[in-house]
Amino acid sequence: GIQVEQSPPDLILQEGANSTLRCNFSDSVNNLQWFHQNPWGQLINLFYIPSGTKQNGRLSATTVATERYSLLYISSSQTTDSGVYFCAVYYGQNFVFGPGTRLSVLP
Amino acid sequence: AAGVIQSPRHLIKEKRETATLKCYPIPRHDTVYWYQQGPGQDPQFLISFYEKMQSDKGSIPDRFSAQQFSDYHSELNMSSLELGDSALYFCASSLGASPLHFGNGTRLTVT
Repeated sequence: GIQVEQSPPDLILQEGANSTLRCNFSDSVNNLQWFHQNPWGQLINLFYIPSGTKQNGRLSATTVATERYSLLYISSSQTTDSGVYFCAVYYGQNFVFGPGTRLSVLP
Repeated sequence: AAGVIQSPRHLIKEKRETATLKCYPIPRHDTVYWYQQGPGQDPQFLISFYEKMQSDKGSIPDRFSAQQFSDYHSELNMSSLELGDSALYFCASSLGASPLHFGNGTRLTVT
């Protein structure tokens, strides 16, 4: 099956800092999504980005499908950005998640 | 916009009991997925349905079963519960391989 890796596993930032999260996958995929899991456990859909670049406010994402990676950029981080960020790829007939990046933004 | 609805939000059961989780997908979505997320883990795929037929199966224990009904809602049935079944259970729906939308999850605690 496919392997999905994320880095870094943990990240601590001061409020206002920028960060880049990475997702690598071992095979071609038809779909890639980034999710934010907040402290209450909700999985929030951030981006549906099988290829190219998208931006939504302070967040943006880029997927280079030919090189099998995706990046999530967080600018001017806020304490409400804390939580776990997952990438998930559609492979076979289901979505496979990476292990996540746990982000803590300190005031 | 309508979202994926899961019930109950919280469930406490004792070992060896049975639990049933329900999921109402977004209208017109043709695929429903069930995921299990243990503490500190990423969501693990259990089972999926496409147009009410089982389409894929992951690491779902034999004690668990699921089905999708004619109104497209889905139920996950778990029997002979074990302590290790304590987890967040998510249902998600999509239209084909389009964006996956998750419900808020059911937190199951087995004591």
